[in-house]
Amino acid sequence: EAQVTQNPRYLITVTGKKLTVTCSQNMNHEYMSWYRQDPGLGLRQIYYSMNVEVTDKGDVPEGYKVSRKEKRNFPLILESPSPNQTSLYFCASSLNPLDGYTFGSGTRLTVV
Amino acid sequence: AQTVTQSQPEMSVQEAETVTLSCTYDTSESDYYLFWYKQPPSRQMILVIRQEAYKQQNATENRFSVNFQKAAKSFSLKISDSQLGDAAMYFCAYEDTGNQFYFGTGTSLTVIP
Repeated sequence: EAQVTQNPRYLITVTGKKLTVTCSQNMNHEYMSWYRQDPGLGLRQIYYSMNVEVTDKGDVPEGYKVSRKEKRNFPLILESPSPNQTSLYFCASSLNPLDGYTFGSGTRLTVV
Repeated sequence: AQTVTQSQPEMSVQEAETVTLSCTYDTSESDYYLFWYKQPPSRQMILVIRQEAYKQQNATENRFSVNFQKAAKSFSLKISDSQLGDAAMYFCAYEDTGNQFYFGTGTSLTVIP
């Protein structure tokens, strides 16, 4: 089944403890992207990648890192999480962003 | 950054009736892409419909259609013959030619049986 897989689905962590949210797609898509969703703010793009080793900042990249060492994987790294990064995170991929993205099921992150 | 505005936080529609969700955006570009995404309670984001700015013809996907007014920077979604499964949060999104996406704040649609 063609899909974008994020792990974990739920995560509670403490301030300052490094964490990684994994994202993998099995559709051979070139484009991948990370978003955060907050009440009243909609979704905001954190980082996106147009190909292996090519990444660019979205609207809200501060406090996040990404890497794209292989086409299928696009992990989101929080080196020192803070409570304001508590949010619902989505990974998405696309063969051509002009056709829209396929989204993962989301990761609910709580930083205490 | 571009802005996308959805002025209706909540809407409701009677089953089998038609409802229109509004979206406006701000841009100085002439080439861009617009989308409507649906997010049911399962929180999965599902693409509903897309529109290319250079195409004058409004996009249609089964019961879903858009009214794209480029000069007014308006992109409304019409849902015909509403069904209970249409109940969800709907997000309007704008994509620029650099592949950056901007989403609106969403409209929560309730379908009344």
